[in-house]
This record gives sequence, C-alpha cells and structure tokens, in this order.
Amino acid sequence: EVQLLESGGGLVQPGGSLRLSCAASGFIFSSYAMSWVRQAPGKGLEWVSAISGSGGSTYYADSVKGRFTISRDNFKNTLYLQMNSLRAEDTAVYYCAKDRNNWPTDAFDIWGQGTMVTVSS
Amino acid sequence: QSALTQPPSASGSPGQSVTISCTGTSSDVGGYNFVSWYQQHPGKAPKLMIYEVTKRPSGVPDRFSGSKSGNTASLTVSGLQAEDEADYYCSSYAGSNNLVFGGGTKLTVL
Repeated sequence: EVQLLESGGGLVQPGGSLRLSCAASGFIFSSYAMSWVRQAPGKGLEWVSAISGSGGSTYYADSVKGRFTISRDNFKNTLYLQMNSLRAEDTAVYYCAKDRNNWPTDAFDIWGQGTMVTVSS
Repeated sequence: QSALTQPPSASGSPGQSVTISCTGTSSDVGGYNFVSWYQQHPGKAPKLMIYEVTKRPSGVPDRFSGSKSGNTASLTVSGLQAEDEADYYCSSYAGSNNLVFGGGTKLTVL
C-alpha cells in the first residue's frame, strides 16, 4: 500500500526551529518529486516546497524562502522539512505529498495525514 | 503569486449537477494544462480527483469531470451524492517553479 506518514510537528516559540519528517512506503521513492503543502487552521491549501527525485533540485514558495529547507534521504525513503525562524503565520497542518511525476508536477496523487505545527509564545 | 479564485460555496440537491469554477491568469491556469482538483473532507487529507485539467485517477467516479476555457478551469460533479459534500480545491502550476491553489469551495449537498 502506498503510504506517507509525517512526524515532527508540535508547539514552538516564534523564532524557533522544527524539523518535519515524512516516511514513504509502497512506491519507488527516488523516482518521484515530493512536496510539502500546508493548511492554516480554517484556511486553504498552500504549496510550500518541492524537491526532485534525486534531491538535486529544490523549490520554495516566496513565503518560506530562506527560512525552510527541504531535503530527502532516498536510502531511508524519507522526506524532510527543516523550518527555521518560525513565525506565527507558519502555524498550520503540514502535509507531505507525492508528486505524480517529476517537478513541475501536474498533481499530488498521494498525501500523508498531516502534522500540526503551532508557532506561539 | 496570488491564489486562484474559487467561489466560497456551492450547493445542489442529490442527483443534480454542480460546477465549481477556478479563475487564474494566463501565467497559471491559462498557460499550462497542469490544473488539478482535490476533495477534502473535514479533518482529512486532500484527495486527488482530477489532474491535467480533465483526467481522473483510477478509482475516482466518472461523475467528476474537469474542463478549462481560457484562464478558468471548472470541476463538474454530476449525480450529486451525500458523500460528495466536502471542500474542493483547484491547483495550477504557475511557472518559475511555483504552484498555486485556489481558496477552496465548500460543496453542500442539500
């Protein structure tokens, strides 16, 4: 079964850091680009970042550029999002999503269950 | 990059058809055939319903269909069923390695 399982969310103070992880199973992880998509409480979806299958290319939304870093370990079938200098507006459920193919993607066909990040003092 | 524009709400009775629009610009919806639609039930992760404007993933009922005209994409749900009640989001590649979502539409089955 194709599955994505996020972890690492929690409560962090403004200016703090957090690293999210997403464990993938059921597909050839290294063959697909992967993305992070977030959803603030009661709000819509926002694409955050993407990484190519090899990990050699990374892409970011302007709202997180310079603060967040996406990476992947194709041996461990795991996707990461290192989040630094966190702000209140980063509070959201963060979803790991499998791109249908390479970046630029035409769609995200598999989503994790999400992990909640709360930035508050 | 601005979000795509969707109506906040839509509704229909069981068995009826409803269409949700998604308006962008020539830099996103109008410029690429990378438009997709997602269904999200409360507290759940989004689910892909349509990709590349008109294509349905395996397992998605053929009651769901997509189209595009100019800078506006549309999702039509025919033969509405109670389980179709959910939030629906459109998405489009926007060039320069950016991807944008619509603000979402809450579909109510009356």
